[in-house]
Amino acid sequence: GQNIDQPTEMTATEGAIVQINCTYQTSGFNGLFWYQQHAGEAPTFLSYNVLDGLEEKGRFSSFLSRSKGYSYLLLKELQMKDSASYLCAAMDSNYQLIWGAGTKLIIKP
Amino acid sequence: ETGVTQTPRHLVMGMTNKKSLKCEQHLGHNAMYWYKQSAKKPLELMFVYNFKEQTENNSVPSRFSPECPNSSHLFLHLHTLQPEDSALYLCASSQEGESRVAFFGQGTRLTVV
Repeated sequence: GQNIDQPTEMTATEGAIVQINCTYQTSGFNGLFWYQQHAGEAPTFLSYNVLDGLEEKGRFSSFLSRSKGYSYLLLKELQMKDSASYLCAAMDSNYQLIWGAGTKLIIKP
Repeated sequence: ETGVTQTPRHLVMGMTNKKSLKCEQHLGHNAMYWYKQSAKKPLELMFVYNFKEQTENNSVPSRFSPECPNSSHLFLHLHTLQPEDSALYLCASSQEGESRVAFFGQGTRLTVV
């Protein structure tokens, strides 16, 4: 079956760094997505990885290892506005997104 | 103006009511989706339309009926719903291509009483 695993909740301190992990099992693979969703709002696209390695985009970076079925989202210099849920999704061979349940990130002052 | 607009934002309906959710995308995309989001669960894909043709129906009960009159508009018609159907219903759109990034509307928070 197809499956995405990510932690349910994480807590971090303002100004620090946090890494949110995601492991996936899909029928075929066409990329790994990360989305941010603030409470009561739409998920918004953060990153897309299809090749192994690290993609950096400002304070956010995303890493992919296809051989390990593993990705992480790295958030640096955390700000209070980064408190949100972070959704991991893998695209299968039919270009359908398989979603994780999301990681709720709580930032403390 | 956001790229994907959903109305209404909130809806409370009885189990015998009929209502419709509306989604409109202003991004020129050719694929549109309905998702159900329940607390602490993964997003559940309900329906997919590519170029106005339905290509996915993930075993969704017939009390949910989608309609896609053109590539910019998508509806979800609701009737005889159950309390367990209460959830956030998200519409999304994407464009055929390498990454197919999905853009989401803000959702309709549905409560069935």
